[in-house]
Amino acid sequence: EVQLVQSGAEVKKPGESLKISCKGSGYSFTSYWIGWVRQMPGKGLEWMGIIYPGDSDTRYSPSFQGQVTISADKSISTAYLQWSSLKASDTAMYYCARRNGHPTYYFDYWGQGTLVTVSA
Amino acid sequence: DIQMTQSPSSLSASVGDRVTITCRASQSISSYLNWYQQKPGKAPKLLIYDASSLQSGVPSRFSGSGSGTDFTLTISSLQPEDLATYYCQQSYSTSLWTFGQGTKVEIK
Repeated sequence: EVQLVQSGAEVKKPGESLKISCKGSGYSFTSYWIGWVRQMPGKGLEWMGIIYPGDSDTRYSPSFQGQVTISADKSISTAYLQWSSLKASDTAMYYCARRNGHPTYYFDYWGQGTLVTVSA
Repeated sequence: DIQMTQSPSSLSASVGDRVTITCRASQSISSYLNWYQQKPGKAPKLLIYDASSLQSGVPSRFSGSGSGTDFTLTISSLQPEDLATYYCQQSYSTSLWTFGQGTKVEIK
């Protein structure tokens, strides 16, 4: 069974750093891109970026380029999303999802989400 | 960037009604269009990919159509468990996927 299990909720202060994780199981982790999606409170879905764990090739949405870093450790089948200096506006639910399909691509499996709260 | 515009933003319908949600792309995206369902407090779930292909395990009352710039998600007979927000998403731009703003479906 394909599963993406994300790390737990975080409460941080502005200026702090954070790294959240997404562990894949039940499939070949290095063969599928993993994407990250932000959902701010009461708002819609925003595509942040995507990584291919096989070679760590990474693409970012222009809106998130330079604001976050996406990485992966294929030895433990885990992708990461990190911030070096959080802002209150980073408060949101963050989802990871597996990209599938060809030539049409879609997210077929999603993690349960990680809620990040940034507050002084 | 390719912009995705959904309509309506919300709707209220009765059990058994036929419900239609539309999604328009700012440029042609062929059939590179997916639909997701997000129930309250849950992660999104893939319903339709490639504009009209039903994801495995999704009830057949869901269907998708369209190509180019105009797409439709139809629920043929609305059920109570279909209470959710529905999002379209384009994957034509391989390095920048975009979602529609969502359509909230409520049950009368």
